[in-house]
Parts: sequence; structure tokens; C-alpha cells
Amino acid sequence: NAGVTQTPKFQVLKTGQSMTLQCAQDMNHEYMSWYRQDPGMGLRLIHYSVGAGITDQGEVPNGYNVSRSTTEDFPLRLLSAAPSQTSVYFCASTAFPGAAASYEQYFGPGTRLTVT
Amino acid sequence: DAKTTQPNSMESNEEEPVHLPCNHSTISGTDYIHWYRQLPSQGPEYVIHGLTSNVNNRMASLAIAEDRKSSTLILHRATLRDAAVYYCILPTYSGAGSYQLTFGKGTKLSVIP
Repeated sequence: NAGVTQTPKFQVLKTGQSMTLQCAQDMNHEYMSWYRQDPGMGLRLIHYSVGAGITDQGEVPNGYNVSRSTTEDFPLRLLSAAPSQTSVYFCASTAFPGAAASYEQYFGPGTRLTVT
Repeated sequence: DAKTTQPNSMESNEEEPVHLPCNHSTISGTDYIHWYRQLPSQGPEYVIHGLTSNVNNRMASLAIAEDRKSSTLILHRATLRDAAVYYCILPTYSGAGSYQLTFGKGTKLSVIP
């Protein structure tokens, strides 16, 4: 198993440009999510998906769009990049947690994004 | 939501045991206690989780206080590869399907050769 993969590893954008961060998992997990981590800070939830065709907003969704057409893939789109979106982005997946909240999340290696 | 409190940093000598504490005094009866770690320039990595009883796995042990208001992650023999930021987390689950791990600042563990 490759686990959770993310591309690209690094990206530099100019203000106003758009791009898509790719995320894929091969564990047949229903639940996938995107987090961002700013320097010296913890991770914050951007968007999540509980299955193909179903997405919802997390804590900091503004400026980002997601879609989930397959179980494996969960891309994150930046619509019009801003310097405030300079961060490290992590994708994660887990078996659907249900109400027990006892499942572990698997994280990708991250995409380091700089917006100038 | 229940919050966790951890020391900002700890040091350990290589090959010695490490006890990483976490306070979660507002924990509810159904909150699981999860530990993750993040090595430099990597994504977070699951370590262990538990509800009421102490738990062991190949990476670590988790000791949970009887009143569940605190827990301790135990690394039995610290290695240089264990140098990381360790996060104690109480995942939250909403009926709408949101399953969120709220990462605080964690404890930065330094391992001295």
C-alpha cells in the first residue's frame, strides 16, 4: 500500500493564480480530509468528505473548493491564491469513524505552498 | 469541546524511557484519547489511542488515569528517531459526519545521544 499520496511536494504561486493540490489513498477509506499547518501552529481542518459525492466545510474553508468523484481521490482547489494561504497542506484519510471517534487517521507527506 | 494541555517541550536521553503527560480535565465519557506525532518536515503519524484502559502497541504505551482527566504516553526506550512533536488529541465527531483532530502545539521531544 502506498497509503496517502500528495502532489506536488512544493509549489510557488503568484497572488491570484489558481491551482489544484492532489490527494489519493489506496486503503479504500471512506473519510478524507484536508488540513493546513501554518508555521509553529497545529493543523486546522479545511474541508472533509465522508464518501464519494459528499463533501463539507471544516474550520477554515474560505478560498478553497473540494470535490470527491471517487473513493480514492480528494483534490483541493485554490480558487485565487493569496499570501495568507502560504502554508503546508496535509491530506488525511480514515475508515469511516462513526460515532466512536476511535479510528486512526493516515496523513500524506504534505504540500508546501508559497504564495507571493 | 474538550481541550488538552501538554508541556511545550521535554528532553530525554537516548535508550531511556520517556513519559509524555497530557491533561484533559473536561473530557467526556465518550471521548477517545489519541496520540499522534510529527517528525520534522513530515505529516502527522498515528501513535496510539485508548478510551479507559491502558493500551500497548509496538510503538508505545498509553496510561490513562482512573478519572480519565489525564493520560501519559510512554516510549519505553527513546531513540533518535523518536525526536518529534507529540500531540495529545480528543477527536470530535459530529452527527453531520465531521471527524476532526484538533492539533494544539504539542510537546516537542528532544532525544540526546
